[in-house]
Amino acid sequence: GQNIDQPTEMTATEGAIVQINCTYQTSGFNGLFWYQQHAGEAPTFLSYNVLDGLEEKGRFSSFLSRSKGYSYLLLKELQMKDSASYLCASLDSNYQLIWGAGTKLIIKP
Amino acid sequence: GAVVSQHPSRVICKSGTSVKIECRSLDFQATTMFWYRQFPKQSLMLMATSNEGSKATYEQGVEKDKFLINHASLTLSTLTVTSAHPEDSSFYICSARGGGDAGELFFGEGSRLTVL
Repeated sequence: GQNIDQPTEMTATEGAIVQINCTYQTSGFNGLFWYQQHAGEAPTFLSYNVLDGLEEKGRFSSFLSRSKGYSYLLLKELQMKDSASYLCASLDSNYQLIWGAGTKLIIKP
Repeated sequence: GAVVSQHPSRVICKSGTSVKIECRSLDFQATTMFWYRQFPKQSLMLMATSNEGSKATYEQGVEKDKFLINHASLTLSTLTVTSAHPEDSSFYICSARGGGDAGELFFGEGSRLTVL
């Protein structure tokens, strides 16, 4: 079957670093996405990885290991506005996005 | 790296009007483009696949006459939502692939459509 696993909730301190992990099992693989979603809003695209390794975009970095079916999103210098849900999604062989349930990130001062 | 530009990022329109969303591959030729749609708190669903110079292939349940897709060139695909209604309000995202079936896939930033 197809499955995406990520933690339900995480808490971190403003200014710190947090890593959100995601493991996936899908029928075929065409890439791994991370989205940020604030309550009541549309998701915002953060990253797309299809090759192994780390991709850095400012305070956010995303890592992929295809052999392990594993990805993580790394957020540095956390700000209060980073409080949101972070969604991991795998693109399968039919180009359908298989979504995780999302990780609610709570930032404390 | 390759960039897919999607425009507009946000659009608000009145019920009954048509809205066009553009998806451009900026530094590569996209032989295939995909259009997705997301409803609040739900997954992104594939709407259609378009190949340059041919008619789009629509997924089951997607109205061809309502969601017009044109892929007239190797760098541009457009999605036109015709006679939009409030239930068409959604997040639409495109992706583009170059280099044949093994080509890497790149996604646009998405377009938020609100129909009043």
